[in-house]
Amino acid sequence: IVLTQSPGTLSLSPGERATLSCRASQSVSSSYLAWYRQKPGQAPRLLIYGASKRATGVPDRFSGSGSGTDFSLNINRLEPEDFAVYYCQQFSNSLWTFGQGTTVEIK
Amino acid sequence: QLQLQESGPGLVKPSEALSLTCTVSGASIASSTFYWAWIRQPPGKGLEWVGTIYYTGITYYNPSLESRVTISVDTSKNQFSLNLSSMTAADTAIYFCARRSSDFCYDFWGQGTLVTVSS
Repeated sequence: IVLTQSPGTLSLSPGERATLSCRASQSVSSSYLAWYRQKPGQAPRLLIYGASKRATGVPDRFSGSGSGTDFSLNINRLEPEDFAVYYCQQFSNSLWTFGQGTTVEIK
Repeated sequence: QLQLQESGPGLVKPSEALSLTCTVSGASIASSTFYWAWIRQPPGKGLEWVGTIYYTGITYYNPSLESRVTISVDTSKNQFSLNLSSMTAADTAIYFCARRSSDFCYDFWGQGTLVTVSS
C-alpha cells in the first residue's frame, strides 16, 4: 500500500492551524494508521495511532481523523516545536509503509 | 525508562555487509507484547521500514530488501541485530531501531546511527 501525503510543504505562522493529508492507494484499517513528527536531527516521535488516538504525552492540539483511504492530522495553534516533518504510516499484510512526509515550515 | 541504542560501523565499503546492534535497556526484549524493528532514512529523505522481529525469532522483512536482510535477536543480551549484505551507495542512511507496540506502530526509537557506504 502506497501512502501519499499532501501538501509536500505547508507554510504557516505560529498560532495557526495545520491540516495534513495522507491518502492510501488501498483501504487501510483505521486501527493501523499512525502519525509521527520528526524534528531535524532527531528520531521520529509517535503522535497519533489508531488514526485518532493520541500517544502518551502528546498535547491535545494534535488530532487525527479519517478512514478507508483518506486520513488527516490536524494541529491547532502551531507551537515553535511543531515546525517539523510529519509522516503517516500504515500496517497491512505484515508490512509497514510510510508516506513521503509533509514539511510544516514557518511562514 | 526504556532506551534503545544503536551501535555499529559508520562506514561500510561497497559490496560488504553491514552489521548493526540495538541494545534495549529499561525493559525486557522478551516481552510478549512488543516487537522490535529497524527503520532507515537516507539523508534528507523519508522513512523506510526494513524489518521487524519478535523475541522468539519470528521476522518480517521489507520485500524490497528481503534477499539481503537478516534480523536476529539475543534475549540474553537484550539486543537485536541487523545484517544487510551487498551494501551499495543506495543503502547510505540513518538506521533507527524502534519498538513496535501492540497497536502496530513504533512508540520508542533509538537516536539513530548514520551508515555511509563508500570505498
